[in-house]
Amino acid sequence: DAGVTQSPTHLIKTRGQQVTLRCSPISGHKSVSWYQQVLGQGPQFIFQYYEKEERGRGNFPDRFSARQFPNYSSELNVNALLLGDSALYLCASSKDRGPQSLYEQYFGPGTRLTVT
Amino acid sequence: AQSVAQPEDQVNVAEGNPLTVKCTYSVSGNPYLFWYVQYPNRGLQFLLKYITGDNLVKGSYGFEAEFNKSQTSFHLKKPSALVSDSALYFCAVRPIYNQGGKLIFGQGTELSVKP
Repeated sequence: DAGVTQSPTHLIKTRGQQVTLRCSPISGHKSVSWYQQVLGQGPQFIFQYYEKEERGRGNFPDRFSARQFPNYSSELNVNALLLGDSALYLCASSKDRGPQSLYEQYFGPGTRLTVT
Repeated sequence: AQSVAQPEDQVNVAEGNPLTVKCTYSVSGNPYLFWYVQYPNRGLQFLLKYITGDNLVKGSYGFEAEFNKSQTSFHLKKPSALVSDSALYFCAVRPIYNQGGKLIFGQGTELSVKP
């Protein structure tokens, strides 16, 4: 079975530009979460989507937005890029979304974003 | 504030020796606990989880973890380390009463296993 896939693998953008990252969950998984991993740190939660609705948001500015499509794939958008947005962006999928969920999240390989 | 601490930035072990990677957490209620491993330029790979029940949980590749509620710890262990276990290990918690099932990660521990 295919795992979580993300595209592109690497991306270089200039300050002030906008970027869109894409994620396809494991087949049968309806929940997608996005995390930002800055070099040398653990991943930080950005968003969770389930059934096309936002179910959780981390402490990120409004420049960050996301959406989930009917096929459960997801996009993460970042506007007005800053140097500090340079990071590995990870997508994770799981079978369901609730706080009581017993299911673990499975992560994709990530998109490495470099802002110059 | 909810947090996860991995007190060791790096753990060095000789191949064949037992290994322990430490994790403590500060979360209200009874959280769900996870361990993930990250190889260079790769995403996170799930190792094991504690939800409820037996305090010792077994996971992938011979790893296990011990949950200690009184010490709010969830240490990762393996009886005999392999060179291929060298990687970055993350402990994560998911508070039961939180938004959207988010994971809170520690800062990671670099495990180095020497032959």
